[in-house]
Order: sequence, then structure tokens, then C-alpha cells
Amino acid sequence: DAMVIQNPRYQVTQFGKPVTLSCSQTLNHNVMYWYQQKSSQAPKLLFHYYDKDFNNEADTPDNFQSRRPNTSFCFLDIRSPGLGDAAMYLCATSRVRGMGTDTQYFGPGTRLTVL
Amino acid sequence: AQTVTQSQPEMSVQEAETVTLSCTYDTSESDYYLFWYKQPPSRQMILVIRQEAYKQQNATENRFSVNFQKAAKSFSLKISDSQLGDAAMYFCAYRRSGTYKYIFGTGTRLKVLA
Repeated sequence: DAMVIQNPRYQVTQFGKPVTLSCSQTLNHNVMYWYQQKSSQAPKLLFHYYDKDFNNEADTPDNFQSRRPNTSFCFLDIRSPGLGDAAMYLCATSRVRGMGTDTQYFGPGTRLTVL
Repeated sequence: AQTVTQSQPEMSVQEAETVTLSCTYDTSESDYYLFWYKQPPSRQMILVIRQEAYKQQNATENRFSVNFQKAAKSFSLKISDSQLGDAAMYFCAYRRSGTYKYIFGTGTRLKVLA
């Protein structure tokens, strides 16, 4: 089945130790998103790619970076995780349709714990 | 800036009964899309229903329907014949036409009582 896959599902890192979360998709969608979701809160968009074009949200900290080497994969790098970065990180994809995009499809998320 | 507000942090419904979740939004745009997403505990977020602002007819998907009031900027979700599997966080979301960015509300946790 076509889907959005996130690895790992659970990630534990130490304060200040770089960590990379990965997302892959078999949907061949142009747009990929990274969201941060803290407990009982709305998903907060960090950035998105339209193909190779990177779009950073104005309030996304510099500590967060992303790479999209090809259509299928997208990575979230947290250079120096702080305690406040502990959250669920959601990857989503959507297909360009007309002047916007079709529905978003979400992965299961990676829960990041920072010790 | 566009905002999405869900004023009910938590709702409960008896199995087989009907429940309505509220969502209001603020935008100066006339062309946009509205969505309800469901996020079950420890499971991924999935689309429940979608509404195009230019369509007057309310969207329906089986037991799920919306009441879209464009002038009032209101977009409520009605779940009929509630089932235990409907228990989840429900997020209302907005996307302006021609953009890729979705704006989410803070969510409503729905509990279904047996």
C-alpha cells in the first residue's frame, strides 16, 4: 500500500546531541511537510518542500534543519536538541493539484524524548 | 493572518448517539478549503472530511457530515451513530487556495462511552 513511513517511531537522544528523523513516501507526492506536535496541541508546521524548493516557517528555530535528497525521502535534523524539543514529529505529504494541493497524508510520527 | 479555533477541548458522546464538534476560523480570503482530521491515540492522523469554500453543499462521508456556514466562518463536524472507534482527537484545519500551508486548530478530544 502507498503510504508515508517514519523512522524511527521512538527516538531518545541526549541534551545537545544531534538527531535525525526520517520520512519516506511511496505516494510520489510533490510536497512534504514536517510538523512538531506537543501533547494536546495542534501540529505546528516547521517547514515544507515543494519538490526541491524549501519553505521555512518564520518562527522555526535555526536548530531545526531539513533535507530532501529525492522525491521519496525527507529528513529532519535537530542540531542541538533541548528539553523543549521533546515532541511528536509528524511528516506529511500532498500532491499538487491545480493552484494548491490535494489532501495531506500523514505518517505515524516519531516521538522524540530528550534526556 | 488566518486562525482556526476549536472551543471545545473535550467532548463525550454515548455510543450510537450523535455529537457535533465546533470549529470557527478567521480569514479574509474567499477561496479556501476546510478539513477535519482524526488522530486516534498512538495512531496516525487521517482525513475525515473536506469542504471546498466555493461549494454551498455541505460535505458528507458516511456517518460524518459538516455544517459549513461561510458567512459566519463556522465549520462544524457532526458524527452520527457514534462508535467506539470514533474516539480520537479531532483537528479542524484550513488551507488557502493556491497555497500548500495548512493551519490547524487546537483539537477536540472525543470520548465515546459504551
